[in-house]
Amino acid sequence: GNSVTQMEGPVTLSEEAFLTINCTYTATGYPSLFWYVQYPGEGLQLLLKATKADDKGSNKGFEATYRKETTSFHLEKGSVQVSDSAVYFCALMAQAGTALIFGKGTTLSVSS
Amino acid sequence: GAVVSQHPSWVICKSGTSVKIECRSLDFQATTMFWYRQFPKQSLMLMATSNEGSKATYEQGVEKDKFLINHASLTLSTLTVTSAHPEDSSFYICSARTQDSPLHFGNGTRLTVT
Repeated sequence: GNSVTQMEGPVTLSEEAFLTINCTYTATGYPSLFWYVQYPGEGLQLLLKATKADDKGSNKGFEATYRKETTSFHLEKGSVQVSDSAVYFCALMAQAGTALIFGKGTTLSVSS
Repeated sequence: GAVVSQHPSWVICKSGTSVKIECRSLDFQATTMFWYRQFPKQSLMLMATSNEGSKATYEQGVEKDKFLINHASLTLSTLTVTSAHPEDSSFYICSARTQDSPLHFGNGTRLTVT
């Protein structure tokens, strides 16, 4: 079946450090891939997405590239800020209009 | 932008009672709503898919008689946890979409059953 595996947290970084959160997926066909962020006390927000192989999603300095050959969608940011502290979820949508399937989430904590 | 409002944000109830959670799309018509459950430090698990005007489709292992879902209009879906027990304590999140948009999420409801 379809599934998402992302690296276990928590990830603890100093401000301006480089961030990578690994995400791999298992799916039949050609899913769309997403990263969602959940700030403390808030709901899920779409961070970025990619709908086909080699697409790069980007937003707020975060990037992720849809790699079909490695079935991966790793999240990266060149210089994290304290305000990036949150839980990050990788997710896939197997077909348009179907529900998202989420990874377990990775907690990021950035200190100044 | 699109907003999904979920209410209440937290609720405490006694074992054996029922609790209703509302999910409203505020500025768009949600043809489909999804209900998720999130355990601490775990992923969001899909409970059911709800299409306006039709019966919800439940995921395997989710008791449809315990988690009643109603999607009576294009802007409102409700999840009722019937005869709640402590093991039902969890974080419930709804999401909604129009026909051609990505999912929008509510802020979730923290249910504690004592």
